[in-house]
Amino acid sequence: EAGVTQFPSHSVIEKGQTVTLRCDPISGHDNLYWYRRVMGKEIKFLLHFVKESKQDESGMPNNRFLAERTGGTYSTLKVQPAELEDSGVYFCASSQEVLDEQFFGPGTRLTVL
Amino acid sequence: LAKTTQPISMDSYEGQEVNITCSHNNIATNDYITWYQQFPSQGPRFIIQGYKTKVTNEVASLFIPADRKSSTLSLPRVSLSDTAVYYCLVGEAPSGTYKYIFGTGTRLKVLA
Repeated sequence: EAGVTQFPSHSVIEKGQTVTLRCDPISGHDNLYWYRRVMGKEIKFLLHFVKESKQDESGMPNNRFLAERTGGTYSTLKVQPAELEDSGVYFCASSQEVLDEQFFGPGTRLTVL
Repeated sequence: LAKTTQPISMDSYEGQEVNITCSHNNIATNDYITWYQQFPSQGPRFIIQGYKTKVTNEVASLFIPADRKSSTLSLPRVSLSDTAVYYCLVGEAPSGTYKYIFGTGTRLKVLA
């Protein structure tokens, strides 16, 4: 069974540019989560989808971040415009049921110059 | 929200038992506690999950006291390949809104 995949693995952009991260969950997993870890900090929860529905966005840093999950399959996280403090590793995870074991992808390392 | 703290680092020798504690003083009654292992350049990998008392699987045990304000991950007889960062994760599900709080992470180094 394929695990959670994320694309790209690395992204280097300049401040003010736009970047879109993609996450493909495990097939059949209705629950999809986004997290991020900025340098020197702990992993922070961003938001949770059940199918295409956002459950809670309170973890999203600000309105420069937009997450979507059209059709309840893969998800995208867009940062527009990117700022220096957005640099970090963005993880995606999926689970079959809420509060079940979450399977994590390898992460996307975002560097904003 | 539950706030979770862990020791920053621990050293151990091969073959020893390692216990890593996570404090989650504000844990809610319906929170689950999950532990993950993370190697460099990889995503966290599930180790064990529990709600109360003790849970054991083929790789670890999880001890949760009655007040649930802390939990202890126990790794029996560690090997060099267990060198990694270990995180607790508290899942909170109050009235349909789901949040997840990672601990600060414990960097375990296993020495030969």
